Amino acid sequence: DVKVTQSSRYLVKRTGEKVFLECVQDMDHENMFWYRQDPGLGLRLIYFSYDVKMKEKGDIPEGYSVSREKKERFSLILESASTNQTSMYLCASSLSFGPPSGANVLTFGAGSRLTVL
Amino acid sequence: KNEVEQSPQNLTAQEGEFITINCSYSVGISALHWLQQHPGGGIVSLFMLSSGKKKHGRLIATINIQEKHSSLHITASHPRDSAVYICAVNVVDSNYQLIWGAGTKLIIKP
Repeated sequence: DVKVTQSSRYLVKRTGEKVFLECVQDMDHENMFWYRQDPGLGLRLIYFSYDVKMKEKGDIPEGYSVSREKKERFSLILESASTNQTSMYLCASSLSFGPPSGANVLTFGAGSRLTVL
Repeated sequence: KNEVEQSPQNLTAQEGEFITINCSYSVGISALHWLQQHPGGGIVSLFMLSSGKKKHGRLIATINIQEKHSSLHITASHPRDSAVYICAVNVVDSNYQLIWGAGTKLIIKP
């Protein structure tokens, strides 16, 4: 089974701190995603990456950056955390893009709940 | 108006009942996904559909492309089915764009 591991389940940070959220997948997936989940809003895409060192902005990239130096690892960075970035952050991966197939199915990590005070 | 709408938002039922969760969408799609999220965060993909019907155990997913509507059914519901069920669609002609529904929170009482 594909496994997506997020480094921290719960984090508490202070306003202005730099925050790193790490995500590792172990099945050689091409694509990796960072989502944010807030009550009543559904999942919102922050950034995704389709290859090493490649990244694309999603729907809400402001205040975030990402890094993908190795295929298996995709990091989300909050340069200066703010209280409105308190949320659940979900990492996901998929094998590839293209016509609908099992390769498009997302595998999610367990989530990282970030609280910014 | 959201491009993917789920109904109901919340559903409470007794163990054993037949459950239906609906998803309507207003965009052209290449596929529709149903996912399950248990309390605590982790999301698991249940189905990916582009036409017809799929079944896995007590779960059945159907899609009507013409009517832009999908349903997720749970037969013989059990308290362990309690979770949030999420619908998401792959937008046609986009390699990566998924539009997500807000989820349906299901509680099955023993």
